[in-house]
Amino acid sequence: EAQVTQNPRYLITVTGKKLTVTCSQNMNHEYMSWYRQDPGLGLRQIYYSMNVEVTDKGDVPEGYKVSRKEKRNFPLILESPSPNQTSLYFCASKPQGSYEQYFGPGTRLTVT
Amino acid sequence: EDQVTQSPEALRLQEGESSSLNCSYTVSGLRGLFWYRQDPGKGPEFLFTLYSAGEEKEKERLKATLTKKESFLHITAPKPEDSATYLCAVHSGNTGKLIFGQGTTLQVKP
Repeated sequence: EAQVTQNPRYLITVTGKKLTVTCSQNMNHEYMSWYRQDPGLGLRQIYYSMNVEVTDKGDVPEGYKVSRKEKRNFPLILESPSPNQTSLYFCASKPQGSYEQYFGPGTRLTVT
Repeated sequence: EDQVTQSPEALRLQEGESSSLNCSYTVSGLRGLFWYRQDPGKGPEFLFTLYSAGEEKEKERLKATLTKKESFLHITAPKPEDSATYLCAVHSGNTGKLIFGQGTTLQVKP
């Protein structure tokens, strides 16, 4: 089944404790992206990657890092999480030349 | 500035009561307008892509239309299973980014 997977689905952590949220897609898509979704603010892009080893900032990149060492994986790293990063996070992917993105199931992160 | 505004924020319908959701946009170099459905606790699920004014797409009880300034998602004779949040997004040719509206939460009561 073609899909985008994220792990973990739920995470509660404390301020300053480094964490990684994994994202993997099995559709051989070149483009991958991370979004956060907050009430009243909608979906906002954090980082995106056009292909392996190519990443760029979205609209709200502060406090996040990403890497794209393999085509299928695009992990999101929070080096020192803070409470304002409590949110619902989505990974998405799409093939080159298409504008239609396919989203993962989401990761609900709580930072206390 | 690229912007997407959806209205209403919330909509409650009785089963069978048809209605429309609105998505107004300003964007430099529209490369596509997208409608997604999002169920609670899940990721957005792709519904439609519209590329040019006058274009229409249909899927079951849903029909999406596009003008130069806005898009409508028409829901005909909705059922309770149509209850969800519907998201509109535009792809900006200038920035290359996908810009989302805040969504319309639809509740259909039996």
